[in-house]
Amino acid sequence: GDSVTQMEGPVTLSEEAFLTINCTYTATGYPSLFWYVQYPGEGLQLLLKATKADDKGSNKGFEATYRKETTSFHLEKGSVQVSDSAVYFCALSTLVTGGFKTIFGAGTRLFVKA
Amino acid sequence: GAGVSQTPSNKVTEKGKYVELRCDPISGHTALYWYRQSLGQGPEFLIYFQGTGAADDSGLPNDRFFAVRPEGSVSTLKIQRTERGDSAVYLCASSWTENTEAFFGQGTRLTVV
Repeated sequence: GDSVTQMEGPVTLSEEAFLTINCTYTATGYPSLFWYVQYPGEGLQLLLKATKADDKGSNKGFEATYRKETTSFHLEKGSVQVSDSAVYFCALSTLVTGGFKTIFGAGTRLFVKA
Repeated sequence: GAGVSQTPSNKVTEKGKYVELRCDPISGHTALYWYRQSLGQGPEFLIYFQGTGAADDSGLPNDRFFAVRPEGSVSTLKIQRTERGDSAVYLCASSWTENTEAFFGQGTRLTVV
């Protein structure tokens, strides 16, 4: 079945460091790909998305490119801030009867130190 | 409402008891999803509604779990004979059928003692 695998955390970085969180997927068909973020004490929020191969999603300085050839959707940010500390979830969404079903990876916790 | 609302935010129950968890989706969203998130894990799909009907309930772990959405809006997740292993955060999300983005509620933290 469809699945998402992302790098284990926690990831600890200093402020202004470069961030990469790896994500690979397995899916039949052509899924849409997402990164969701969960800040401490808050619910899941959509961070960015890409709906087809070679699309780049971007938001708040984060980017991820839909790579069909490597079945990957790695999250990157050039300079992280303390406020980026959160859990990041990679997800894919596939078409099911009448709508879409979203499957999540296990999450990667990011700590950013001042 | 402005967002997806889940009640209660916290629920503590004794092993063997019955619980109901409620989800109020964003007004007009036809698709509604239930997920379960255990500590340190990503959300695990339970069930998906399109309107009033369950389009996909393949994620429900066993027949103690049941969910309804009788009028195509509010949904209730019901758990019978709760077990300690049911302890988790139960998340609800809703979306437009044509838009794949799901909006999540804050979740209900269920603790079975």
